[in-house]
Amino acid sequence: EPEVTQTPSHQVTQMGQEVILRCVPISNHLYFYWYRQILGQKVEFLVSFYNNEISEKSEIFDDQFSVERPDGSNFTLKIRSTKLEDSAMYFCASSGDTGDTQYFGPGTRLTVL
Amino acid sequence: KQEVTQIPAALSVPEGENLVLNCSFTDSAIYNLQWFRQDPGKGLTSLLLIQSSQREQTSGRLNASLDKSSGRSTLYIAASQPGDSATYLCAVKGYGQNFVFGPGTRLSVLP
Repeated sequence: EPEVTQTPSHQVTQMGQEVILRCVPISNHLYFYWYRQILGQKVEFLVSFYNNEISEKSEIFDDQFSVERPDGSNFTLKIRSTKLEDSAMYFCASSGDTGDTQYFGPGTRLTVL
Repeated sequence: KQEVTQIPAALSVPEGENLVLNCSFTDSAIYNLQWFRQDPGKGLTSLLLIQSSQREQTSGRLNASLDKSSGRSTLYIAASQPGDSATYLCAVKGYGQNFVFGPGTRLSVLP
C-alpha cells in the first residue's frame, strides 16, 4: 500500500540554525500539507500546497517557514532560523483531492537546543 | 474560528467492551470529518472519513456517525481489543484546506 515517507525521523539542531524536513507524498496525490504537534498538545495545521504554490497557511506559518516541491517526488519544509519553541513533531500529509482522506507520514521529531 | 473538543480525554475498558468516543465542533459549516488513530511517538493513521453529506461510515469494527446540525460525531468501536489501545483524534475540515484537530481521547483496552 502506498505511504507517505519522511526524513529524517529525528533532527537535533542548535537555535538559530536552518533545518529542512523532507517528505515524499503518495505518488499520484496532488495536495500536500504540513502539520506540527508540540509534545502533549493538539496537532496544528501549518500549510497546504497545490499546483506548485501555497493554497492556505496558518498564522503559525510565518516568514521563517517556507515550503518547496523541488522535484516531482519531494516536498520540503524549511525553517530558516530555528527557535526553542519550534521543537515539535512535524507531519507531512497528502491527499488526492481536497475532499479526500489525508494520509500522514510517520513524522520528523525536531529538537532545538 | 472552528473549535474541536473530544470527550472523554481518557478511557480505560476491559477487552471485549463496545465503546463510544465523542467529538464536538463549534462551526457546522464543515466539508468533512476524519477520525485518526495515533500510537505513542508515531504518525496518524486514517480510520474513517465522513463527508458533510453523509451520516455515517463503517470499516470493520469501527463506525463513525456525523450530525452536522448539532456539531457532533461519534466513533463506535465494537468488541474492543488490546491492540485498539491508542489515542483517537477527530479532525474537522472546513471549506479551506486545513483540518482542525481535537485534543484526542486516549484509549486503553485491558486484556
